[in-house]
Amino acid sequence: QVQLQESGPGLVKPSETLSLTCSVSGGSVRTFYWSWIRQPPGKDLEWIGYIHYSGSTDSSPSLKSRVNMLVDTSKNQVSLRLSSVTAADTAMYYCATSAIVPAASFDYWGRGTLVSVSS
Amino acid sequence: DIVMTQSSLYLAVTPGEPASISCKSSQSLLHSNGYNYVDWFLQRPGQPPQLLIYLGSHRASGVPDRFSGSGSGTDFTLKISSVESEDFGVYFCMQILQTPLTFGGGTKVE
Repeated sequence: QVQLQESGPGLVKPSETLSLTCSVSGGSVRTFYWSWIRQPPGKDLEWIGYIHYSGSTDSSPSLKSRVNMLVDTSKNQVSLRLSSVTAADTAMYYCATSAIVPAASFDYWGRGTLVSVSS
Repeated sequence: DIVMTQSSLYLAVTPGEPASISCKSSQSLLHSNGYNYVDWFLQRPGQPPQLLIYLGSHRASGVPDRFSGSGSGTDFTLKISSVESEDFGVYFCMQILQTPLTFGGGTKVE
């Protein structure tokens, strides 16, 4: 049973870089595609992007210029970096994966980590 | 981007009664392989979304058979044959045909 746990600073200052880690247990990061999804308070879910350890990656056009995702096979972790953050990036950030459909049909989710952007 | 529209923000249901949630996409989600590339999720308060239905009509592992997904092309429906207390929460549809993946705005079942 794959388990995911997001971690990172709960507070980030405007214009700085948000860095989150998704720790994977019960499976290898080499196995699946890893996706990031966020949900601003009281708003809709938003897909950020995905990455595979092979290097295959894609991200939302609205965030592409600011997003960087990495897979660390030695630590069995996935990371997300989002640069030049603003208050609009305040959200619950989820790491998710799928054993069903690559990079979609997310049947495994972390519990999420709340990130606030504020000075 | 494909826009997913859930026209009902709220749905009042009574335990034991059926419920139906609709979702429309701005373009067809029917793939040439015959599958409709739409998933359904339930999000309970304080929890991450839970996958209920994938590829239009396939129940995810562990999901009770009172949940079913139907529809094709641009119109989709999630049905609950008999609502139970644990089914209350927000239901989202999501298209997985093309990136960026996009979600519906959610229907709160209460």
